[in-house]
Amino acid sequence: ETGVTQTPRHLVMGMTNKKSLKCEQHLGHNAMYWYKQSAKKPLELMFVYNFKEQTENNSVPSRFSPECPNSSHLFLHLHTLQPEDSALYLCASSQISYNEQFFGPGTRLTVL
Amino acid sequence: EDQVTQSPEALRLQEGESSSLNCSYTVSGLRGLFWYRQDPGKGPEFLFTLYSAGEEKEKERLKATLTKKESFLHITAPKPEDSATYLCAVQAGGTSGSRLTFGEGTQLTVNP
Repeated sequence: ETGVTQTPRHLVMGMTNKKSLKCEQHLGHNAMYWYKQSAKKPLELMFVYNFKEQTENNSVPSRFSPECPNSSHLFLHLHTLQPEDSALYLCASSQISYNEQFFGPGTRLTVL
Repeated sequence: EDQVTQSPEALRLQEGESSSLNCSYTVSGLRGLFWYRQDPGKGPEFLFTLYSAGEEKEKERLKATLTKKESFLHITAPKPEDSATYLCAVQAGGTSGSRLTFGEGTQLTVNP
């Protein structure tokens, strides 16, 4: 595997389900990010982790729960989501001393 | 608050017809301006970083330029494979981590 990978690529869930999104980066970076991309809206930053520590939570509802066990892996745990949470969820990584972020392919989430 | 506005929202070109995409920004102390390309159903792909007014960077048919208020992505003699959404993002100085503020993007279609 190279770059940033995300699984699953597609996810359909009901409002009462619990699911998790997984991200893994193979770039040796030390910062990881979750973004939400909705149609006709700019990418919205959700969470930032530097060296496994959460450094930013952009006022994200508690039904989204991130987890970063190490600098290579990032999870987004989902529970009791709403239909408006349907979107493309993107993971990215970067080297803290550099600015460029590299993105994974995303998980297309549909909440019924 | 940092803001990024991209224009036009959509651009349709004939193969070989050169044009430019615009990214206007307001930010408290620019640390970097980034251009990404995003294909449908995929994550953004990093293209360029620009750091100071007057800077230019090129890659194949693309050239990015930067002034104190805007950036342009010039596309010379485009080909159908250049069709994608082009995203602009800025990072402010003193920003924690590597927070990027994205524009809504310009959807480029190049017809053969």
